[in-house]
Amino acid sequence: NAGVMQNPRHLVRRRGQEARLRCSPMKGHSHVYWYRQLPEEGLKFMVYLQKENIIDESGMPKERFSAEFPKEGPSILRIQQVVRGDSAAYFCASSPVGPDRPRYEQYFGPGTRLTVT
Amino acid sequence: LAKTTQPISMDSYEGQEVNITCSHNNIATNDYITWYQQFPSQGPRFIIQGYKTKVTNEVASLFIPADRKSSTLSLPRVSLSDTAVYYCLVGDQAGTALIFGKGTTLSVSS
Repeated sequence: NAGVMQNPRHLVRRRGQEARLRCSPMKGHSHVYWYRQLPEEGLKFMVYLQKENIIDESGMPKERFSAEFPKEGPSILRIQQVVRGDSAAYFCASSPVGPDRPRYEQYFGPGTRLTVT
Repeated sequence: LAKTTQPISMDSYEGQEVNITCSHNNIATNDYITWYQQFPSQGPRFIIQGYKTKVTNEVASLFIPADRKSSTLSLPRVSLSDTAVYYCLVGDQAGTALIFGKGTTLSVSS
């Protein structure tokens, strides 16, 4: 069973360009989460999605950032007009169908390292 | 979600047992205690989860006293490859965001 897959692993963008990060959850998982980790900091939650629905986007900046998880295909985190402060590692995680599951467990991908020049 | 407090860093030598304690004074009745491990340049990895008393798996043990206001992650006979950041999280169910603190950076030396 393949784990959570993210691509690209590394992405370089110039200021003002768009960045698109992709995440394919583990097979059978329909919940996807995006986290951001700035250099020397802990992970910060950004958004939680189920298929075709955004469940919680309380951690997502109000402007320039958007996320989707379509019925078919991977989840996409889109950052428009990137700035240097967007440089970070972006991790995607997935979990099995919940919320009745009593476990606080998510499976993380290897991350996409975004560098804005 | 209950706030957690854990040491910023710990040092150890290969072969020693390492115990990392986490405080969670405001833990709720339904909350589970979960530990994640993160190696440099990788995503976090679930290590162990427990509700009360003791839980053991092939990687670690988790000790939780009766009042559940703290917990201790125990790593037996650490090796250099156990050098990582360890996060203690408290929450009650799947389908919610994980709230990571700064974690404990464990450095294992030979």
